[in-house]
Amino acid sequence: GESVGLHLPTLSVQEGDNSIINCAYSNSASDYFIWYKQESGKGPQFIIDIRSNMDKRQGQRVTVLLNKTVKHLSLQIAATQPGDSAVYFCAENRGNNAGNMLTFGGGTRLMVKP
Amino acid sequence: KAGVTQTPRYLIKTRGQQVTLSCSPISGHRSVSWYQQTPGQGLQFLFEYFSETQRNKGNFPGRFSGRQFSNSRSEMNVSTLELGDSALYLCATSSGAGDTQYFGPGTRLTVL
Repeated sequence: GESVGLHLPTLSVQEGDNSIINCAYSNSASDYFIWYKQESGKGPQFIIDIRSNMDKRQGQRVTVLLNKTVKHLSLQIAATQPGDSAVYFCAENRGNNAGNMLTFGGGTRLMVKP
Repeated sequence: KAGVTQTPRYLIKTRGQQVTLSCSPISGHRSVSWYQQTPGQGLQFLFEYFSETQRNKGNFPGRFSGRQFSNSRSEMNVSTLELGDSALYLCATSSGAGDTQYFGPGTRLTVL
């Protein structure tokens, strides 16, 4: 069935390196994608989003890339810091034309080594 | 601006009981969505309310219900609790359809 999925369950990086977290989706009609960060004991925190009319969007130290041809989404974190250690989720808004309904991938745990 | 508030933060119930969880949205947000998070199933959408009306619904049994009040605060209710209902219940609010959804800290429900 249609899904939003992640390639890797755990990613370990050295502090200061760049991190790349990947996500695949299968619904070609998907038009809005969001990345969330969840730290232990907390709710998901919005990081960045992108709509299907864009290929790339940048925030502070983060960049999201969207490849509609292969239905692939990635989150790049520059100069990864210990505070970036968390689980990262990609999500797709599949609500009807008048609503919101997020479908989440399984999550990738990012571990930053000092 | 205050964030999304959820109460209570922790709950312990026994099988067969019912529970009501509350979510207060960010000021000005009229859309409130509820999600269940478990280690096995991940984050799953329950339902969304907007202007006191349910606008989207996920694939959960009828034991899961919700409502929204005129001030946009929302409650969800789970009746006849089962062990498998143990989870982190999250609400997310946004100003409208397709807008950024912001999550609360969640309510941790344990069913014994």
